[in-house]
Amino acid sequence: DAMVIQNPRYQVTQFGKPVTLSCSQTLNHNVMYWYQQKSSQAPKLLFHYYDKDFNNEADTPDNFQSRRPNTSFCFLDIRSPGLGDAAMYLCATSRDLSAGINDEQYFGPGTRLTVT
Amino acid sequence: DQQVKQNSPSLSVQEGRISILNCDYTNSMFDYFLWYKKYPAEGPTFLISISSIKDKNEDGRFTVFLNKSAKHLSLHIVPSQPGDSAVYFCRGYIKKTSYDKVIFGPGTSLSVIP
Repeated sequence: DAMVIQNPRYQVTQFGKPVTLSCSQTLNHNVMYWYQQKSSQAPKLLFHYYDKDFNNEADTPDNFQSRRPNTSFCFLDIRSPGLGDAAMYLCATSRDLSAGINDEQYFGPGTRLTVT
Repeated sequence: DQQVKQNSPSLSVQEGRISILNCDYTNSMFDYFLWYKKYPAEGPTFLISISSIKDKNEDGRFTVFLNKSAKHLSLHIVPSQPGDSAVYFCRGYIKKTSYDKVIFGPGTSLSVIP
């Protein structure tokens, strides 16, 4: 049973053309995260939502925005994609922010974004 | 400074032997560590964890060791199986003033050769 679903799995967009990536979850978790992962690098946290509270990482470019209209869905909007934004984008959820031993993150399969 | 390092990008091990994946961190404030396993075309999945109050945690073929003085942890897989071939991420947890933060290492790609 899929718990964290990301659509599409592969996305191609043009330089400067806005793009939206989608994530949904069936776990009813409070927290949803968006990570950017470039080849052979660690996943980098962009931002997270705790319920409706949005928390942006200090070094996340303004070009990246997010929306969480309800518990189940979270969107990543890239307003003007550049070539450097080509990456795998991972959505994750957790029950709570404490991220303790029994509260690990559940990841979706990712969306691979290509910018042409 | 808050970094989690996995200095070996890849590792090859013969089936049945031990696989040892290493992880180093830079800040003694890291509290919990989790290991994630990632197959191609799938998201990372939780494998095993360890709290900073422990030095060892075991779950079947997987054991994680934590050496706080050296700021080092390692994941041991015994015996290694071909199905263990995947990328393994070490993840540290540190509490910030406003919210909790998790930091991933870059991963180690394990190949178990039949």
